Amino acid sequence: DAKTTQPPSMDCAEGRAANLPCNHSTISGNEYVYWYRQIHSQGPQYIIHGLKNNETNEMASLIITEDRKSSTLILPHATLRDTAVYYCIVGLSTLGRLYFGRGTQLTVWP
Amino acid sequence: EPEVTQTPSHQVTQMGQEVILRCVPISNHLYFYWYRQILGQKVEFLVSFYNNEISEKSEIFDDQFSVERPDGSNFTLKIRSTKLEDSAMYFCASSSPWAGGETQYFGPGTRLLVL
Repeated sequence: DAKTTQPPSMDCAEGRAANLPCNHSTISGNEYVYWYRQIHSQGPQYIIHGLKNNETNEMASLIITEDRKSSTLILPHATLRDTAVYYCIVGLSTLGRLYFGRGTQLTVWP
Repeated sequence: EPEVTQTPSHQVTQMGQEVILRCVPISNHLYFYWYRQILGQKVEFLVSFYNNEISEKSEIFDDQFSVERPDGSNFTLKIRSTKLEDSAMYFCASSSPWAGGETQYFGPGTRLLVL
């Protein structure tokens, strides 16, 4: 079962930063935080993952709190194409099954 | 950029018929997966496959389902006798254990409709 809690929906103005929170208070010391998104009914798309440190790639930044009980995915300049369901997933690795919750429906408006 | 491909994109079948969904994982990946998503519901894990055998399966993956890697490139999901409730999007994914590469890449999905 999903071990994360996310708000069901959020919205954001185009060009602004979108900050998507995730609570994972029962995360174990060796578990990673992964973020995926699903645009409409397409296949889930990997965004970013991290263990303890903050991470950044070309798509997003991931901020993990010091106690690792929560994290925030940041899309620095949201575009209309970023409208999607965003999933926060906790796990030892992605070699095993991924547990998808309901995620957060992010709507970016013009 | 390498990607997972799936065929067909849409499949309509009659209840009780057999269907085979096909996937071509990313070429140097070693772990393969099937997930499904019933309309309006969560993405659910079905099965994972490694080294030519099932490594994990969910309670959904009962005897009517089977997976196979018939050659070096394809990975298939067979549903022996389809039911109405098998109507869903089916996603294939692949992953590699290489350092920094532990990410599951998903295909675009096959939309299965059982009538």
